[in-house]
This record gives sequence, structure tokens and C-alpha cells, in this order.
Amino acid sequence: GVTQSPTHLIKTRGQQVTLRCSSQSGHNTVSWYQQALGQGPQFIFQYYRKEENGRGNFPPRFSGLQFPNDSSELNVNALELDDSALYLCASSPGQGLTDTQYFGPGTRLTVL
Amino acid sequence: GENVEQHPSTLSVQEGDSAVIKCTYSDSASNYFPWYKQELGKRPQLIIDIRSNVGEKKDQRIAVTLNKTAKHFSLHITETQPEDSAVYFCAASRGDNYGQNFVFGPGTRLSVLP
Repeated sequence: GVTQSPTHLIKTRGQQVTLRCSSQSGHNTVSWYQQALGQGPQFIFQYYRKEENGRGNFPPRFSGLQFPNDSSELNVNALELDDSALYLCASSPGQGLTDTQYFGPGTRLTVL
Repeated sequence: GENVEQHPSTLSVQEGDSAVIKCTYSDSASNYFPWYKQELGKRPQLIIDIRSNVGEKKDQRIAVTLNKTAKHFSLHITETQPEDSAVYFCAASRGDNYGQNFVFGPGTRLSVLP
């Protein structure tokens, strides 16, 4: 299945953070979501074959990478208190946002 | 951009009863509508999905209906069990690169009382 690391992370305001995701075997699309407490996931962006394939309403300080093995990173610069959330990645076997997505367990980020 | 509303925000039913959760969406170009179940501290898990060329889909105790004209879709759970207790999220996607095109509803907390 989809795995993410680390499980939990504590950072201070202004710092930078990198979160990692390994997609399910055979899946070549990875999407990232931010889930604030008590809310639904918010789409950040999606990568297909190392190219950004869609982006939500998040500022440029949220950036990503997808590697040849289809794993992915989410980087957030200049952390703000409101960035505290559960970050979820999801992989899917096809291209585009209408393919079934399978979520990882998430990384809980706390910004102090 | 797309906006997804979900009702009710909380729902309590007796074990064995049915539960219905309704979502409305704003973008008529949306064509994929999944439902996810999220238990406390766990990842969202897909329970059923429907595409715009289908009006209804069933999987055992779970069904989803879609009304494209009214732009709403609903999750139906029959013969509810305590393990159905969780937060349920609907979502809508149009499947292209136009803006924020995979949007989740705010969630419904379902409690099944034994």
C-alpha cells in the first residue's frame, strides 16, 4: 500500500519541511492533500510521471517532486502556524483526477 | 471553482437502521464522485465511487445515487453496524488541470448506536 514518512513532525514557524510518500506498486500518479482538524482533505497538487498535473489553491511555498520510482516529496517553505495539519498522499494507477485514489496514513505536522 | 456541500454534519442512527448522507456540487463539469470513510486516526478509505455516466451503484450494504441535473449525490448505508461509525467524506472531480478540481466535502460524523 501507500506509505508515508515521518508519522509525526514538529517544526517552528519559518522553518522548512519535507514529507515523503511511497506509492502503491504499479501506481504512477501521486496526489497530496492537507487535512486540518475536523475538516475534509484539501487538494494541494498531483504529479504524474514527474510532472505537476494539477494544483489546488496553495501558495508556491508548497512544492513537490516525483521520482523515477514514482515516490514523491512534499516541501513546504517558510512554515506558518496554519500549516499545522495532517498531510495525506494518495496514489492512483492512471493519469488524472478521476482515477480511484488510495491514501497513505498521513504525516501529522505541528508548527509552533 | 468547485464547491462541495455535505449534510448532515453529524448523524446518529440505531444499529440496523439506514443512514443517508447527501452532497451537492457546483461545477457541472465534475464527472467523478467518490466516497471515503475515515476512522479516528486512520487514513481515508474509498468505500464506493460513481461516474457521471451512471445513476446508481451498489456494493452490498452501500449504495450511491447521482442526480446530474440537480448536481447532488447521496450515500446510502443499510443495516448499519457499530463498525460503520466514522467520518464520511464525499468528493467531486472534473479530471482536468483546471484549478482546484478534486474537492472534498466537510464530512459527516456517523454514529451507529448499539
